[in-house]
Amino acid sequence: GAGVSQSPRYKVAKRGQDVALRCDPISGHVSLFWYQQALGQGPEFLTYFQNEAQLDKSGLPSDRFFAERPEGSVSTLKIQRTQQEDSAVYLCASSLGTVRNTIYFGEGSWLTVV
Amino acid sequence: QKEVEQDPGPLSVPEGAIVSLNCTYSNSAFQYFMWYRQYSRKGPELLMYTYSSGNKEDGRFTAQVDKSSKYISLFIRDSQPSDSATYLCAMTAGGYQKVTFGTGTKLQVIP
Repeated sequence: GAGVSQSPRYKVAKRGQDVALRCDPISGHVSLFWYQQALGQGPEFLTYFQNEAQLDKSGLPSDRFFAERPEGSVSTLKIQRTQQEDSAVYLCASSLGTVRNTIYFGEGSWLTVV
Repeated sequence: QKEVEQDPGPLSVPEGAIVSLNCTYSNSAFQYFMWYRQYSRKGPELLMYTYSSGNKEDGRFTAQVDKSSKYISLFIRDSQPSDSATYLCAMTAGGYQKVTFGTGTKLQVIP
């Protein structure tokens, strides 16, 4: 596609519910990132994929967060047993290569946990 | 203390003014410095990308990096109402580009 596509754009989840957020990166992009952006804050790194390999998951806040990119294109961020503090915008980004390439962000998935 | 510090604003200026946005950082490993613009309910959009110290100009935008002071700036000349957005500084040590962002400065340009 023309840009990074994320779905759903908005999600309201009840506390304790599991959610799955999808990211379609720009076609052919090797690198894929997930970021979390709380209200009034800058994006915080969650995890990084190079093709299907998850090379860095140091930013995932707990073991309730899980990300995958099984075929090296579409990625899913899953949050189990959601908590109110998980409410944030989840941004996906992709870049063509692995070093010094422009990173393109999607519009984000807005998660509200009630 | 955060690795990257940025004044959240908000900053309000009249149309045509010169805007100065700044960030400081503590990690001396950072070598690549970026400025992103984020409109409300949109993802960040890359504005400027610089490597190491120096200046870079692109139209009305000028980015400055002073690694000795760990200080970066973005200047916007002849500001327009369409520049109203949140501006995020960002930086990385390189490699696969794990990017560290500032909190963002909200800018409003008044017509």
